[in-house]
Amino acid sequence: NAGVTQTPKFRVLKTGQSMTLLCAQDMNHEYMYWYRQDPGMGLRLIHYSVGEGTTAKGEVPDGYNVSRLKKQNFLLGLESAAPSQTSVYFCASSSGLFGSTGELFFGEGSRLTVL
Amino acid sequence: KQEVTQIPAALSVPEGENLVLNCSFTDSAIYNLQWFRQDPGKGLTSLLLIQSSQREQTSGRLNASLDKSSGRSTLYIAASQPGDSATYLCAVDTGRRALTFGSGTRLQVQP
Repeated sequence: NAGVTQTPKFRVLKTGQSMTLLCAQDMNHEYMYWYRQDPGMGLRLIHYSVGEGTTAKGEVPDGYNVSRLKKQNFLLGLESAAPSQTSVYFCASSSGLFGSTGELFFGEGSRLTVL
Repeated sequence: KQEVTQIPAALSVPEGENLVLNCSFTDSAIYNLQWFRQDPGKGLTSLLLIQSSQREQTSGRLNASLDKSSGRSTLYIAASQPGDSATYLCAVDTGRRALTFGSGTRLQVQP
């Protein structure tokens, strides 16, 4: 039971570089989310998806893009990384929107440092 | 804008003690409230979900209550154990297409 898997787990970038974080879930969930977690600020929603081929902006979408070409995968891209994007990124998935059915599963996080 | 506050930010208790973690929110128009556990370097694990029409939920040694009118929820942990050491976060769903999370309470249970 892999659940939600994020790759890579750690990455260091230089300002201006691009990268993609991959999230994969094996629970056949419709809903997937990308959050960032910063000290003292809780988790904030970046983008989310309500199904294959659909994406929507969350609270802090600027500087990020996402794609959901396959139901099981949700990609988060940084086109031109900035130091303000240094954070821990979490992917999550659920069967009910925003875990309304009580099933909200998180990956273990991807720690990104932008120098 | 919904704001979620968790006090205290950190708590240390001896093993066996019963304890209460607090969560307050500013907008009482919520769909549900969830409690999560986060171990160091790990993702979040759902503990309890309370729908807006419910007053409390229980799972094993955990009991979560919800008082919408006062904008408060508590997570009660009975007979705490060292394995309960983690950060506990609450999050509210106000139907605005995002969960609003608190910053968490870091709990340490001393053996």
